[in-house]
Amino acid sequence: DSGVTQTPKHLITATGQRVTLRCSPRSGDLSVYWYQQSLDQGLQFLIQYYNGEERAKGNILERFSAQQFPDLHSELNLSSLELGDSALYFCASVKGLGNTEAFFGQGTRLTVV
Amino acid sequence: DAKTTQPNSMESNEEEPVHLPCNHSTISGTDYIHWYRQLPSQGPEYVIHGLTSNVNNRMASLAIAEDRKSSTLILHRATLRDAAVYYCILRDAAGGTSYGKLTFGQGTILTVHP
Repeated sequence: DSGVTQTPKHLITATGQRVTLRCSPRSGDLSVYWYQQSLDQGLQFLIQYYNGEERAKGNILERFSAQQFPDLHSELNLSSLELGDSALYFCASVKGLGNTEAFFGQGTRLTVV
Repeated sequence: DAKTTQPNSMESNEEEPVHLPCNHSTISGTDYIHWYRQLPSQGPEYVIHGLTSNVNNRMASLAIAEDRKSSTLILHRATLRDAAVYYCILRDAAGGTSYGKLTFGQGTILTVHP
């Protein structure tokens, strides 16, 4: 158990809909990373937050947004969903910004039908 | 971001050592070398990291070339549970815009035969 909690574990929704994925980092960790993993793309970095502030952006679509709340949990919002958004979404938590290890959650499997 | 190159796949037999190579010829002086692995249907898991000196922990050893342009992850006795995708990643510690980023490449698929 990494200590990082992601909910829900599975999500099935229709095209055009909007969903929210939730990540609770390990206690004391300030940094949260979001990743998308689809079969043909590998692990794609989406966005990083540190202590409530956006720190780095990767290949995140404009239809996607995220935030980190004062209690440090984070949410990833995916809207106008397309079939190609079907993927595993992982979050990772890190104590700070430096080179300490990242702990990953078990992921949310999103299926868009 | 500095790039790493790994073989697409490698095979090993159970209880034998495994040496997973990684090339990072454009590494900067402030990049740390990290290794993660991802078991089937799970999130990635930290394995080890280092800067210049070789490192050992309970999971593996990391051997870093003197010029830092390559490194090798060593699993001393492979088990079936070590079958996973292994990722070699460079993490910037300089404090610039890429500070702390954790960007995954394609990794090496390790198959362990009984």
